[in-house]
Amino acid sequence: GAVVSQHPSWVICKSGTSVKIECRSLDFQATTMFWYRQFPKQSLMLMATSNEGSKATYEQGVEKDKFLINHASLTLSTLTVTSAHPEDSSFYICSARDAGTGGRETQYFGPGTRLLVL
Amino acid sequence: AQKVTQAQTEISVVEKEDVTLDCVYETRDTTYYLFWYKQPPSGELVFLIRRNSFDEQNEISGRYSWNFQKSTSSFNFTITASQVVDSAVYFCALTPPLGTASKLTFGTGTRLQVTL
Repeated sequence: GAVVSQHPSWVICKSGTSVKIECRSLDFQATTMFWYRQFPKQSLMLMATSNEGSKATYEQGVEKDKFLINHASLTLSTLTVTSAHPEDSSFYICSARDAGTGGRETQYFGPGTRLLVL
Repeated sequence: AQKVTQAQTEISVVEKEDVTLDCVYETRDTTYYLFWYKQPPSGELVFLIRRNSFDEQNEISGRYSWNFQKSTSSFNFTITASQVVDSAVYFCALTPPLGTASKLTFGTGTRLQVTL
């Protein structure tokens, strides 16, 4: 299957700092990537849809100025958590959409980034 | 609106037992895609299967099998002869057709614990 990498895998930062997370599709081009957030023992919550060359589409209740998304190329999307606070601590997961052919569209997920804000 | 229900929050089985994870979905689309993902303790979501709504054939892959019943809007997942390595959270998901933003709607997940 297709491979999606995510970096860093974990990060600890002080409150007030900004953290950038990278999501890369390694063996396919992804015009669309997605960013999710997952709290312990819960399902994934979609934060935003990242489209190459255009602005991201944020889900209701997600602060776009807080979570900056940049999709500068067909293989890279970044999520920047600005002025992070302890409540931003979470597991962030990206996915990249492989359009495929013949109805084989699939989202492949990165390994996730654990963010701890002190 | 789309909805995926995984009624089983946690399942615990002994190794070598068969186990079925239930998934029921709701959608108004006539064409859609269904998925199963596995999330082991490491956190990464591993793609297991994609099923198109117009293909009702059941599928088997090794110890894994999937039963798609459009009439009951169910897409159940069976693991035969379970192993400890199968311990994970399993998510069922649904997405509309290509070209409509393709957002995945996830179920709440079923945590499977396989013990010796």
